[in-house]
Amino acid sequence: DTGVSQDPRHKITKRGQNVTFRCDPISEHNRLYWYRQTLGQGPEFLTYFQNEAQLEKSRLLSDRFSAERPKGSFSTLEIQRTEQGDSAMYLCASSLESSGRVSKNIQYFGAGTRLSVL
Amino acid sequence: AQSVTQLDSQVPVFEEAPVELRCNYSSSVSVYLFWYVQYPNQGLQLLLKYLSGSTLVKGINGFEAEFNKSQTSFHLRKPSVHISDTAEYFCAVKTGTASKLTFGTGTRLQVTL
Repeated sequence: DTGVSQDPRHKITKRGQNVTFRCDPISEHNRLYWYRQTLGQGPEFLTYFQNEAQLEKSRLLSDRFSAERPKGSFSTLEIQRTEQGDSAMYLCASSLESSGRVSKNIQYFGAGTRLSVL
Repeated sequence: AQSVTQLDSQVPVFEEAPVELRCNYSSSVSVYLFWYVQYPNQGLQLLLKYLSGSTLVKGINGFEAEFNKSQTSFHLRKPSVHISDTAEYFCAVKTGTASKLTFGTGTRLQVTL
């Protein structure tokens, strides 16, 4: 169990450029989440996957944002035409979801990718 | 909809003193509650969780929290803090049918000598 890993840890880009972040969840975890954290705030939910299916997207996830988890393992989050307002810490989490309607899954977080848009 | 309020944005405390970080939640259904800690430039580490059963839950690093359903609170406590406890602490809530966590705005615990 190596934990959730995110790459890169830091990304500096110019406004208008595209960026892509990667998240590798804890192996055998079937759920993967993306959150965004701005300065002085708590993390805010963006989207989550169960295996390769993207099951929920927040209104925060504008059409410039796209997330994929093609093989149900790692995930990527891409931001197109970055804006200064996209500057934030992007956190990934994973959990093991058991069968049944009630979810007690515990989410484990990675160290995050800090994005700075100049 | 679920929401979390952390009443104190900053809590200064001397080393070896007790501390309580307050958290109130709002939800119309049963909830699961969590406290996470975030050290500078790092991700979130789970401190403790309430899923069911005993309302007093113990976590890592000597922290504990008590779930109070009537007051919709889940305050975090530690009887004696250490310098190394200086960090940002986040309370989070999840309802049984939701997948996402909803976080409070965080409380900065600053421990000094």
